[in-house]
Amino acid sequence: AQTVTQSQPEMSVQEAETVTLSCTYDTSESDYYLFWYKQPPSRQMILVIRQEAYKQQNATENRFSVNFQKAAKSFSLKISDSQLGDAAMYFCAYRSAVYGGATNKLIFGTGTLLAVQP
Amino acid sequence: DAMVIQNPRYQVTQFGKPVTLSCSQTLNHNVMYWYQQKSSQAPKLLFHYYDKDFNNEADTPDNFQSRRPNTSFCFLDIRSPGLGDAAMYLCATSRDPTYEQYFGPGTRLTVT
Repeated sequence: AQTVTQSQPEMSVQEAETVTLSCTYDTSESDYYLFWYKQPPSRQMILVIRQEAYKQQNATENRFSVNFQKAAKSFSLKISDSQLGDAAMYFCAYRSAVYGGATNKLIFGTGTLLAVQP
Repeated sequence: DAMVIQNPRYQVTQFGKPVTLSCSQTLNHNVMYWYQQKSSQAPKLLFHYYDKDFNNEADTPDNFQSRRPNTSFCFLDIRSPGLGDAAMYLCATSRDPTYEQYFGPGTRLTVT
């Protein structure tokens, strides 16, 4: 079974600085997707960035980028130029890319609570 | 804007009194999911509908049921809420199971 591990329950960063959130996963599959979701306090969970396992190039979305190391099964999120609005719980998630019912469910890590200090 | 809507945003119910949470979507997605999220935890998938096909997670209690009368709406019924069912309930949709999921804002359920 696939598992996702986020070893940092809480992180803190100064405004305008860079922070990296860690995520490791375990799978025997070769084709899958990895995601970072952001959940601000009492607000909607939104997709920050996604990475297809077959792509070697790391995904980037504006200030957000990932370091995807497939052999090491590592998928970290880097937030550059941190802003107060980045404060949230961040969840790393895995999903199989093989179509087939239950195998397509999102498997979440336990989350990292990011605080941004002004 | 196309979106996932959940009503109500906050629901208070009494111990043992049935409650229904609602989710609607304007994305015309085929799959609708219900998650339970307890404080400071990751969302836990309860079940999902792929069109009219219902898929229950093995560890979802029988106390939780769902209905999907049409593409746009999906309901979560809790037949006899216990104190342990107090949580945030998230609805999500996706075009099909291999596409990414879009989440609604959630309904926070309190059981008194």
